[in-house]
Amino acid sequence: AQKITQTQPGMFVQEKEAVTLDCTYDTSDPSYGLFWYKQPSSGEMIFLIYQGSYDQQNATEGRYSLNFQKARKSANLVISASQLGDSAMYFCAMREGLWGAQKLVFGQGTRLTINP
Amino acid sequence: EPEVTQTPSHQVTQMGQEVILRCVPISNHLYFYWYRQILGQKVEFLVSFYNNEISEKSEIFDDQFSVERPDGSNFTLKIRSTKLEDSAMYFCASRRQGYTEAFFGQGTRLTVV
Repeated sequence: AQKITQTQPGMFVQEKEAVTLDCTYDTSDPSYGLFWYKQPSSGEMIFLIYQGSYDQQNATEGRYSLNFQKARKSANLVISASQLGDSAMYFCAMREGLWGAQKLVFGQGTRLTINP
Repeated sequence: EPEVTQTPSHQVTQMGQEVILRCVPISNHLYFYWYRQILGQKVEFLVSFYNNEISEKSEIFDDQFSVERPDGSNFTLKIRSTKLEDSAMYFCASRRQGYTEAFFGQGTRLTVV
């Protein structure tokens, strides 16, 4: 079974609108972390936001927020007031276990295009 | 701001040749990783490295792959005899102990011809 599922291969949004990128995960480990990375056309992986499984509040970083619904095992990324520079590939990832050398497992990604 | 540095940014190699991809992790980080991304696909884990030994490796990381930390700053990925299907973007990442975020380098695009 897929550990991370991103069901939206592509999304098109008008500039200044908010956008939600979906991510669901599957784990039986009570300790895990969820991450979102942005990959622009230049190829690098840029960390955006992190949510720990024990965190009581949804994570926020500037225009990025993470809608964490633990019972539903979803960790959707919300980008408010989208900008043209937000056009990129977005990956959701999970680490099972929080503090050791555990790897990140990535979803398939969602290609976001912001239209002027 | 410190960053993970990878060299070269792009390497073209003949099938069957050995390649070494180089990474300089952030200096106070203790966990090191290699991932790869075949064009248009998701990022896949290859290997993690901690305390001078491999912590975990994926099915992809077969006997053709090896990692080394030859000194206090470099972390290398060697592919002994490259195949066409090794063509991908290879990312190095590092993480500080006690912190959750992994920092990625800008990647090395490997093209096997």
